[in-house]
Amino acid sequence: RKEVEQDPGPFNVPEGATVAFNCTYSNSASQSFFWYRQDCRKEPKLLMSVYSSGNEDGRFTAQLNRASQYISLLIRDSKLSDSATYLCVVPNNAGNMLTFGGGTRLMVKP
Amino acid sequence: DADVTQTPRNRITKTGKRIMLECSQTKGHDRMYWYRQDPGLGLRLIYYSFDVKDINKGEISDGYSVSRQAQAKFSLSLESAIPNQTALYFCATSDLPSREQFFGPGTRLTVL
Repeated sequence: RKEVEQDPGPFNVPEGATVAFNCTYSNSASQSFFWYRQDCRKEPKLLMSVYSSGNEDGRFTAQLNRASQYISLLIRDSKLSDSATYLCVVPNNAGNMLTFGGGTRLMVKP
Repeated sequence: DADVTQTPRNRITKTGKRIMLECSQTKGHDRMYWYRQDPGLGLRLIYYSFDVKDINKGEISDGYSVSRQAQAKFSLSLESAIPNQTALYFCATSDLPSREQFFGPGTRLTVL
């Protein structure tokens, strides 16, 4: 099993829609998880950290399912400006590094 | 001012040339990383450093070398550039191994 797996998408949704991405991970001992946002040809930027069961920040909710080893990112009331690639990030199996998923591309249409 | 800076931001070079990419940070972090990103692919780790003069190979270190002479600076060298090293290169920093990383703006390198 890959350390981090994401559906590459693209997810094409209309403005105002709710969209969710999942990410599976292999390191069952992981304690911290992150979602990064990356705009085209720009650097990844931290969107949310997840240290327990979940985290909510405005329209964005991240949830953690330790039993099934996946984390999800839910975006409510999608905006055009949400169009980007979302990277799932978890510690590697050795626990000394972060491993980045390949990203899920979201395109929000008018 | 940006916390993590990279120079140059764009570089076009020819096969066989030696290239150095520079990264500087003002975050005071001990850990620094170099990644490359290719279109449609995720970030791949080239080298990382947990302290001054500490150097560790990442997933794809062949063809690259690094230098960490100061806490704030981490440079990446391509000794003899080849076309398949054309990519977007990112530097990142963190204060702990499993904590979030902070990225520089990237260097777009084209090897002809």
